[in-house]
Amino acid sequence: DAKTTQPNSMESNEEEPVHLPCNHSTISGTDYIHWYRQLPSQGPEYVIHGLTSNVNNRMASLAIAEDRKSSTLILHRATLRDAAVYYCILRASNFGNEKLTFGTGTRLTIIP
Amino acid sequence: DAGITQSPRYKITETGRQVTLMCHQTWSHSYMFWYRQDLGHGLRLIYYSAAADITDKGEVPDGYVVSRSKTENFPLTLESATRSQTSVYFCASSESLDRGRSTIYFGEGSWLTVV
Repeated sequence: DAKTTQPNSMESNEEEPVHLPCNHSTISGTDYIHWYRQLPSQGPEYVIHGLTSNVNNRMASLAIAEDRKSSTLILHRATLRDAAVYYCILRASNFGNEKLTFGTGTRLTIIP
Repeated sequence: DAGITQSPRYKITETGRQVTLMCHQTWSHSYMFWYRQDLGHGLRLIYYSAAADITDKGEVPDGYVVSRSKTENFPLTLESATRSQTSVYFCASSESLDRGRSTIYFGEGSWLTVV
């Protein structure tokens, strides 16, 4: 599976937008970009996913570069509850094995 | 209740003992996964399964055994527990139909301490 690269940690002030970057230079044409987050002492939870176009949902927005080699998760107005580890992963379509790797993600700290 | 459940949630065992962590999902998802999470290593894939009776190794399979006789269950067994297997274990499941778009659902985790 193609790998992703994320910064280890980021900080943001409460009520400000947060941009979490992810590099995936070896992405293939059929790979979807998924974001998950893990709150303290909980299992990871789904945030958003996309293929080529930018995506919005109630939790966040996903901006995908035109060449698809990078993407950015955008939290429009961070709250203290958004403090978590955020994982960017690539998920292949229905071909090949499903050896899903998550890596270490980005630990987001929200400053009150 | 529908969802993915893990048991036990907390377990202390002794070195050399066999331990089985259970995972049950109610969606009939084809894919199931086991991850371990340790400080500084993030989530690491132990084993995964694409369907009943189909399993494959992940990044860190040594010391673990899995089985998948029924779609809804994916138990993880530590045949002879070691202290290095002290960790938090997460089970996950996902649909196989158009899996690129499918959400991965995680359990709440099983905290295992080997003394």
